[in-house]
Amino acid sequence: AQKVTQAQTEISVVEKEDVTLDCVYETRDTTYYLFWYKQPPSGELVFLIRRNSFDEQNEISGRYSWNFQKSTSSFNFTITASQVVDSAVYFCALSEVNTGNQFYFGTGTSLTVIP
Amino acid sequence: DAGVIQSPRHEVTEMGQEVTLRCKPISGHNSLFWYRQTMMRGLELLIYFNNNVPIDDSGMPEDRFSAKMPNASFSTLKIQPSEPRDSAVYFCASSLLADYTEAFFGQGTRLTVV
Repeated sequence: AQKVTQAQTEISVVEKEDVTLDCVYETRDTTYYLFWYKQPPSGELVFLIRRNSFDEQNEISGRYSWNFQKSTSSFNFTITASQVVDSAVYFCALSEVNTGNQFYFGTGTSLTVIP
Repeated sequence: DAGVIQSPRHEVTEMGQEVTLRCKPISGHNSLFWYRQTMMRGLELLIYFNNNVPIDDSGMPEDRFSAKMPNASFSTLKIQPSEPRDSAVYFCASSLLADYTEAFFGQGTRLTVV
């Protein structure tokens, strides 16, 4: 069973639109960590954010914001006023303390921002 | 810090040849991961090490693949013999186990087996 599900395979938006990327995870651990990574067309994987299971505060960083809801096992990522440079594949990941730091990645959401 | 360093960046080899991919993790990190990325399968975890010890190699496709971490600053992923279906981008990543920090990825090695 997939531990991290990113149901949106591809999303296209017009520049300046807001877009939300969904991430649903599955774990029995009480202590775990959630992450988002960005993979631009150049191919590298860039870390964006890390959240632990005890901190449900939403976070905002510039145009990026993250909504963590344990009740629905979701960790969604919103880009406000999207820009062409946001075009990339975005991965959500889960790390469980009881599995010794193994990272489980979702299948990624490919975002295209159209100018 | 230079980040995770992988070499080579690109490798083209003929089917049947041995291929060795190299990784230098971030200094001080004690978890190291090898991932493979293809269009069909996405990001697959092949193997990971904690404190140089392999913890889970269930993602290694078959006996043709092997990985070693002889010390804290170096790891190799070897494919012998290579096959066209091994063509992919191979990523190495490292993290600090104690704090369950994020994994930092290298630039990847694009392997093409012809």
